[in-house]
Amino acid sequence: NAGVTQTPKFQVLKTGQSMTLQCAQDMNHEYMSWYRQDPGMGLRLIHYSVGAGITDQGEVPNGYNVSRSTTEDFPLRLLSAAPSQTSVYFCASSYRSRGSSGANVLTFGAGSRLTVL
Amino acid sequence: ILNVEQSPQSLHVQEGDSTNFTCSFPSSNFYALHWYRWETAKSPEALFVMTLNGDEKKKGRISATLNTKEGYSYLYIKGSQPEDSATYLCAASSYGNKLVFGAGTILRVKS
Repeated sequence: NAGVTQTPKFQVLKTGQSMTLQCAQDMNHEYMSWYRQDPGMGLRLIHYSVGAGITDQGEVPNGYNVSRSTTEDFPLRLLSAAPSQTSVYFCASSYRSRGSSGANVLTFGAGSRLTVL
Repeated sequence: ILNVEQSPQSLHVQEGDSTNFTCSFPSSNFYALHWYRWETAKSPEALFVMTLNGDEKKKGRISATLNTKEGYSYLYIKGSQPEDSATYLCAASSYGNKLVFGAGTILRVKS
């Protein structure tokens, strides 16, 4: 049981390049999400998905695309990288907490550090 | 979109001190309140999830309370230890389970 796996761990891009951050979970979680973490700003939600074939925008979706073709995978695509997208990205997935019906506790991946030059 | 605020931004305490932090959120359309512990170079890990007004949760020396009517939650650490040093994140969700995080409280415990 690997949990939430993110790849790559580190990436350096030039402005204008595109890339995909991969996220896979093996816990059969329905809910998956992408966050970015910037100093002093906590975690900000980029996109999320409540199940295969369903995605929606979070707080900061501009410049990013997602898709959810399977329950296990939720890739995040940067279409044309900009220096403002330099950040640490976290993928997270959810099960339903036993003690609080309907509240989804997040399991996080290890993070992907992206630098855009 | 929910606006979740945490205070203080950072806290330095001595080993053995007890401490607490605050998380504020809009009380309308509230669904759940989460607390996560985030150690440097690791991923955030869930501490508590609470949904009902008056909820209290405890894990060892750490406990949390929830007031959904006034929109706040407190996290308490009794007898802080150096291994408690971390960033403590709270997050609130409205209906639809979109979780919004606060900026976190950085705790440093000196031995």
